[in-house]
Amino acid sequence: RKEVEQDPGPFNVPEGATVAFNCTYSNSASQSFFWYRQDCRKEPKLLMSVYSSGNEDGRFTAQLNRASQYISLLIRDSKLSDSATYLCVVNNFNKFYFGSGTKLNVKP
Amino acid sequence: GAGVSQSPSNKVTEKGKDVELRCDPISGHTALYWYRQSLGQGLEFLIYFQGNSAPDKSGLPSDRFSAERTGGSVSTLTIQRTQQEDSAVYLCASSLVRLAGNEQFFGPGTRLTVL
Repeated sequence: RKEVEQDPGPFNVPEGATVAFNCTYSNSASQSFFWYRQDCRKEPKLLMSVYSSGNEDGRFTAQLNRASQYISLLIRDSKLSDSATYLCVVNNFNKFYFGSGTKLNVKP
Repeated sequence: GAGVSQSPSNKVTEKGKDVELRCDPISGHTALYWYRQSLGQGLEFLIYFQGNSAPDKSGLPSDRFSAERTGGSVSTLTIQRTQQEDSAVYLCASSLVRLAGNEQFFGPGTRLTVL
């Protein structure tokens, strides 16, 4: 079983839509969690860390559910520039495990 | 300021040849990570360094892969006797300290193609 699993998508949504991605992880002892964004043929960049109490950064909201071992990312009021692949990342004892990513296409 | 840099940006080699990939982390970053990403796949963790030491090498796919870091800065990933399945983008990342919550900053990657 993979350490981190994500729905590969693609999620095709119109501008202004709200879209949510989930990610599950297998190790209940995982210590920290992140969402990274990766544009086509570019390196990943940190979008936001995910805290136990949930956290928000502008249009982006991240949630962590330790009991069910999943994290989520909610994007409100989608912009064309949000089109990218979103990578779920889990840290276990200083090893970082990346999901294979969820592709988002925001259409005009 | 300067980010993480990697060289070469692209490398095409013949099966059986050795290749060296270089990573220059952000100045002052003590932790350095190597990953590889095959087409359409997620990142596969290879190895990390804290300073010049690599406490965990279990992510390296085979004994053809090795990495070193000198002076707490530049790191080199060496692949000996390359195989076609080694073709991927090799990404390097650095972070300020080796803490679970620390952001990793990625370099642009080296795209390796083994013919």
